[in-house]
Amino acid sequence: QKEVEQNSGPLSVPEGAIASLNCTYSDRVSQSFFWYRQYSGKSPELIMSIYSNGDKEDGRFTAQLNKASQYVSLLIRDSQPSDSATYLCAVNKGNQFYFGTGTSLTVIP
Amino acid sequence: KAGVTQTPRYLIKTRGQQVTLSCSPISGHRSVSWYQQTPGQGLQFLFEYFSETQRNKGNFPGRFSGRQFSNSRSEMNVSTLELGDSALYLCASSWLAGGYNEQFFGPGTRLTVL
Repeated sequence: QKEVEQNSGPLSVPEGAIASLNCTYSDRVSQSFFWYRQYSGKSPELIMSIYSNGDKEDGRFTAQLNKASQYVSLLIRDSQPSDSATYLCAVNKGNQFYFGTGTSLTVIP
Repeated sequence: KAGVTQTPRYLIKTRGQQVTLSCSPISGHRSVSWYQQTPGQGLQFLFEYFSETQRNKGNFPGRFSGRQFSNSRSEMNVSTLELGDSALYLCASSWLAGGYNEQFFGPGTRLTVL
């Protein structure tokens, strides 16, 4: 069983819509959770971190964590074409980070 | 504050050669992790160093090795290169590792093995 699972997509949304990206993790002892954005040919860029149950908002981004369901999500409001990228979910357990395979998002103008 | 830097950015090698990649973490960060990224496999964890000690190692053959220096800079070495080693090699640093520490990536070294 993989530590982190993501739907690989691709996910397409029209400009201005809400994009919803989902991630599940396998180990309840996981402590912290992250979302990275990776543009084609570039390295991953940290966009959100979340450590406790509930929602965390940063601009157009909202991360949601539900530890009971072992579920993390990222909502992107008012999606823009510049949000088109692969989004990686990451989980920290112990002193190692585990990454999902990423969800490809395309925002259609 | 300067980000994570990696050198070189691009490398072309032939099968059987060896290669050394370098990573300088964000100032003050003591944990450095290395990843291999390929289109088919995604991000694969290679190893993690903290205070010059390798604490974790991924499922890669012994041809892949690394080290960390007292200034937290890290190098990874791949010996006897194979075609399948062609990938983007990413270094990431964090203040510590574990807990609530965020990890930041460098720009990567793109290795092509011919």
